[in-house]
Amino acid sequence: AQRVTQPEKLLSVFKGAPVELKCNYSYSGSPELFWYVQYSRQRLQLLLRHISRESIKGFTADLNKGETSFHLKKPFAQEEDSAMYYCAPNGGSYIPTFGRGTSLIVHP
Amino acid sequence: NAGVMQNPRHLVRRRGQEARLRCSPVKGHSHVYWYRQLPEEGLKFMVYLQKENIIDESGMPKERFSAEFPKEGPSILRIQQVVRGDSAAYFCASSPIGGGSTDTQYFGPGTRLTVL
Repeated sequence: AQRVTQPEKLLSVFKGAPVELKCNYSYSGSPELFWYVQYSRQRLQLLLRHISRESIKGFTADLNKGETSFHLKKPFAQEEDSAMYYCAPNGGSYIPTFGRGTSLIVHP
Repeated sequence: NAGVMQNPRHLVRRRGQEARLRCSPVKGHSHVYWYRQLPEEGLKFMVYLQKENIIDESGMPKERFSAEFPKEGPSILRIQQVVRGDSAAYFCASSPIGGGSTDTQYFGPGTRLTVL
């Protein structure tokens, strides 16, 4: 069965500290992986997708097929990064599977 | 470009009543997806529709829930005879391409349903 795990419900860091939001998935084949973000009082939006190999707002995510992980990282967290982050693997269909989310709080 | 619109944003119903949730996709998008988010959980897929067609309803409860996306007008998610367990946030997303594509989905703000 397709499964995605975000083990941390809450991650609290201070401004300038490195951040890593963990995501592990269980999929057959080669899924495409996404990170979505929801800022306070805003709608869910795409942050980045692994196939693009891009860095958005300083965030990067590397797909590790051996560990079946897609952790989201940023070297220096900013207060405006505070939000809910959802890992969403897509097993080749049109339906991503969303993790339960990690709430990131960045303190000044 | 107003993006995906959902209304109402908040809906309160008593047990046994009907709930109707509306979703207007991004202009030009013909693919709509509905998700449900229960407290403390991630978004769970419910149904995928194109205009006048249900493509995949594998995530829909077998009873009381139905969805449509007519040729004209918004997509409707209908819940009959609501129960307390239906209380959740319901999100709609749209995309210009669907069915096998991993095109980005654009999300609406959600409708928060509370069943008393």
